Amino acid sequence: DVKVTQSSRYLVKRTGEKVFLECVQDMDHENMFWYRQDPGLGLRLIYFSYDVKMKEKGDIPEGYSVSREKKERFSLILESASTNQTSMYLCASSFNLQGEGYEQYFGPGTRLTVT
Amino acid sequence: SQQGEEDPQALSIQEGENATMNCSYKTSINNLQWYRQNSGRGLVHLILIRSNEREKHSGRLRVTLDTSKKSSSLLITASRAADTASYFCAQVATGANNLFFGTGTRLTVIP
Repeated sequence: DVKVTQSSRYLVKRTGEKVFLECVQDMDHENMFWYRQDPGLGLRLIYFSYDVKMKEKGDIPEGYSVSREKKERFSLILESASTNQTSMYLCASSFNLQGEGYEQYFGPGTRLTVT
Repeated sequence: SQQGEEDPQALSIQEGENATMNCSYKTSINNLQWYRQNSGRGLVHLILIRSNEREKHSGRLRVTLDTSKKSSSLLITASRAADTASYFCAQVATGANNLFFGTGTRLTVIP
């Protein structure tokens, strides 16, 4: 069974703080993704990674950065948290078969509140 | 934006009835996937249909794909209260390896 875990289910941070969200997968997947989910907007891709140390911007990368030092771990960093980054953050992973886009496996999500 | 759209946004049915959700998208695709999300949780993959397929079944789920209309539908037969969730379609555009999600359909199955 594929397992994707996220470091926190709920997180409350203050404006201006640096925030780290961690994601770990145990299926040796090449691809990892970070999304945010907001009511009425669905899931929007922030960043993704095809391999260790590789990253690609998604639809809404502004205000975020990522790190992938090990294959199983993908971190999302909010350099200076702002209230408009209050959201549900979802991590996902998948195999990488060029052009195939295998199904993604999601973590349980982190609900981040920035006050 | 390459984001697709689900229709309806919300659907409420009685247990035992069938539920149909529709999805439209904008670009040519490699495959289309449906996911379920229970309240406040991560998404769970339900079914994947490739661009050269027209219909696919998995248990009580039936998915159709019409690439000429850039649309798909998800049918859940004999619904159960446990099917209450949000359902999302997501597309892998041709040549891409990431998904573009729609905004979802909120399904409520009344016992």
